[in-house]
Amino acid sequence: DVKVTQSSRYLVKRTGEKVFLECVQDMDHENMFWYRQDPGLGLRLIYFSYDVKMKEKGDIPEGYSVSREKKERFSLILESASTNQTSMYLCASSPRGTTAYSEQFFGPGTRLTVL
Amino acid sequence: QKEVEQDPGPLSVPEGAIVSLNCTYSNSAFQYFMWYRQYSRKGPELLMYTYSSGNKEDGRFTAQVDKSSKYISLFIRDSQPSDSATYLCAMGDSGYALNFGKGTSLLVTP
Repeated sequence: DVKVTQSSRYLVKRTGEKVFLECVQDMDHENMFWYRQDPGLGLRLIYFSYDVKMKEKGDIPEGYSVSREKKERFSLILESASTNQTSMYLCASSPRGTTAYSEQFFGPGTRLTVL
Repeated sequence: QKEVEQDPGPLSVPEGAIVSLNCTYSNSAFQYFMWYRQYSRKGPELLMYTYSSGNKEDGRFTAQVDKSSKYISLFIRDSQPSDSATYLCAMGDSGYALNFGKGTSLLVTP
């Protein structure tokens, strides 16, 4: 069974703090993704990575950075947290596969509140 | 215009009803179409996947894709209270990333 775990279910931080969200997958997947999910806006892709040390910007990368030093771990970094980054953050992973399509497996999410 | 449009609902139906959920899209390059289900306080999980046009059935669920109209549907027959969740359509082309709809919230009442 594929498992994607996220370091925290709930997190409360103050404006200006540096925040690290960690994601680990145990299925040797090449692709990993970070999304944020907000009411009325749906899932929006922040960054994704298709290999170790590789990263690509998604639709809303501003204010975020990522790190992928090991295949199983993908970190999302908020350099200086702001209140508009209060959101549900979802990590996902998928195998590269032989076709373009790969099912994405999601973690349970981290509810981040920035005060 | 967002590439994927989905009515957010909420949609409330009685147990046993047939549910129809829909998405429209604008990018003709999309060829992979998925429906994810998300229960409250959980991450989304894949429910159905369809490649290109056509129908696919899995138990009480049927996914339909009409590429000529850029329209996809998910039908749930004999709906159950356990089907209460948010349903997200997702689609992709040859790249790594998927494009998600905003999700439709479904409530099936006993």
